[in-house]
Amino acid sequence: GESVGLHLPTLSVQEGDNSIINCAYSNSASDYFIWYKQESGKGPQFIIDIRSNMDKRQGQRVTVLLNKTVKHLSLQIAATQPGDSAVYFCAENDFNKFYFGSGTKLNVKP
Amino acid sequence: GAVVSQHPSWVICKSGTSVKIECRSLDFQATTMFWYRQFPKQSLMLMATSNEGSKATYEQGVEKDKFLINHASLTLSTLTVTSAHPEDSSFYICSARGTDGHYGYTFGSGTRLTVV
Repeated sequence: GESVGLHLPTLSVQEGDNSIINCAYSNSASDYFIWYKQESGKGPQFIIDIRSNMDKRQGQRVTVLLNKTVKHLSLQIAATQPGDSAVYFCAENDFNKFYFGSGTKLNVKP
Repeated sequence: GAVVSQHPSWVICKSGTSVKIECRSLDFQATTMFWYRQFPKQSLMLMATSNEGSKATYEQGVEKDKFLINHASLTLSTLTVTSAHPEDSSFYICSARGTDGHYGYTFGSGTRLTVV
């Protein structure tokens, strides 16, 4: 599969602050990306997706930015809450299969 | 919303035995199901893709005779770890993609396999 990697393995933020999680991907032909949240011992949960014809997409408290020039994705979480503590993965679509990045653990400090 | 049920959630087996893990789509038909493996503090590694009624496609480096995948219906796929050994201990997760055009897909809750 393609290589999808993250810059930061662990991110600690204060409750109420904004969080930014980054991801680099290697396949310039990838046309669809998803951010997932995984809590300990559970399967990944869909957070937000973006297609390659967009550079920004917003959801509830989350925004995904896509920079195709440098093959970079970011996930922004506004007003981070304790319930946001988890591992976050970006996933890259390659021929209808998803390949996951290495993950970032988000710790939200009260 | 789309729900994927995975069973069992955890299993302990003796070395040399086989273990079957089930993945069911509860409220939608899944033409394609995917099986992932995840080691502690690591990412999900795609093992194989299964399409209903056809043979699974395995990722490079995954032993198809070791990890048997069956996708006999549009709602059920099974992964059997044959002759399990301690190094097969891992978290196995399935996901399913529906027939309704939904492009993303839903994950099961995972199965923790421990081989002793």
